[in-house]
Amino acid sequence: QVQLVESGGGVVQPGKSLRLSCAASGLIFSAYGMHWVRQAPGKGLEWVALISFDGSNERYVDSVEGRFTISRDNSKNMVYLQMNSLRPEDTAVYYCAKDSSEYGDYVGAFDIWGRGTMVTVSS
Amino acid sequence: SYELTQPLSVSVALGQTARITCGGNNIVSKNVQWYQQKPGQAPVLVIYRDSNRPSGIPERFSGSNSGNTATLIISRAQVGDEADYYCQVWDSSIDVVFGGGTKLTVL
Repeated sequence: QVQLVESGGGVVQPGKSLRLSCAASGLIFSAYGMHWVRQAPGKGLEWVALISFDGSNERYVDSVEGRFTISRDNSKNMVYLQMNSLRPEDTAVYYCAKDSSEYGDYVGAFDIWGRGTMVTVSS
Repeated sequence: SYELTQPLSVSVALGQTARITCGGNNIVSKNVQWYQQKPGQAPVLVIYRDSNRPSGIPERFSGSNSGNTATLIISRAQVGDEADYYCQVWDSSIDVVFGGGTKLTVL
């Protein structure tokens, strides 16, 4: 079955960097856009970033633009989130999610989610 | 920016019908998705494109979208339906937006 597994979370000081990874299995990975969604403790879901199926298009929520970079390696079925200049308000569980749109230039539904990885930004 | 407004909480009696709303400007022009999230778990897609159910989601879950309000309808509510529910939309001008979430309590 389709599975997404995130890794790379941890505790980091403000201003530092962290790289999250998401390993996908059970699907034709190169056919689907991928997203990162985060959830601060006790709060709702916040979309963070998307990357198109071929990596040609990236989009970010305003609050991370210029600090975070999403990327993918279709040869390894991996998607990444490089997070620089981290702030306390970036503290959250970060989920990797698959887009339902196949080879699409639009966003469909988030039909598969990983279990998430916790990022804590604190001194 | 585009905002989606959900009630903080909705209560429903066991076996009755719950309706969770998601308000947004001309939301009828967008495809609305709904996600269920139980404590400590990842979200699960329960409705896509306004009213479509993924495989494995019970027929008790349905959705509608009209004017400025989309609605998730849960018929014959069960204790197992207690969860947070989030609506979500996308278009090329606003990117992805989630509603604030609604906590469903089954009494």
